[in-house]
Amino acid sequence: SQTIHQWPATLVQPVGSPLSLECTVEGTSNPNLYWYRQAAGRGLQLLFYSVGIGQISSEVPQNLSASRPQDRQFILSSKKLLLSDSGFYLCAWSVSRRDEKLFFGSGTQLSVL
Amino acid sequence: KQEVTQIPAALSVPEGENLVLNCSFTDSAIYNLQWFRQDPGKGLTSLLLIQSSQREQTSGRLNASLDKSSGRSTLYIAASQPGDSATYLCAVRPRETSGSRLTFGEGTQLTVNP
Repeated sequence: SQTIHQWPATLVQPVGSPLSLECTVEGTSNPNLYWYRQAAGRGLQLLFYSVGIGQISSEVPQNLSASRPQDRQFILSSKKLLLSDSGFYLCAWSVSRRDEKLFFGSGTQLSVL
Repeated sequence: KQEVTQIPAALSVPEGENLVLNCSFTDSAIYNLQWFRQDPGKGLTSLLLIQSSQREQTSGRLNASLDKSSGRSTLYIAASQPGDSATYLCAVRPRETSGSRLTFGEGTQLTVNP
């Protein structure tokens, strides 16, 4: 069966510090991978998605970047965090067909102070 | 631009009650619609997925309906239990897209009181 791992679960970082959140998927090949952010009162916002190694699409301009160094690994990064980067970050995957369900990781609560 | 609205934002019901959660979307050109459940501080769990050609999907005590022409979906929960307490989100996938540009509603926070 397929599983998705996301870590860390919580993170407190000072403004201006770097960020690296990692997500890995097991039990499937060539998944579509996604990073979402969930902020209070704003719902889920798609940040990045990837259909293959090295293929990253950004949905909104921001202080963040994403990379996919391996087929089932997706990394969310920042060189210098801003206060506005605080939020609940969710990694998700789906098979490569559009009609398949989206499966989410357990999330990372990021607080930038 | 697709907009998804969920009403009510919060709902509190006694155990055993049947209830309906509402989801509306502005652009009817959708490929499918999903309902998710989110427990506090956790990720989302997919409950039901309805293709645009379908009218409803059922899983256990859950039934989701879709009226694409009117831009509406409902999630019916029968015989609610305290364990059903969570936030329920709906999300629509547009017809013409690559990747997965789902648009989410902000959710309905459900509390089922024992």
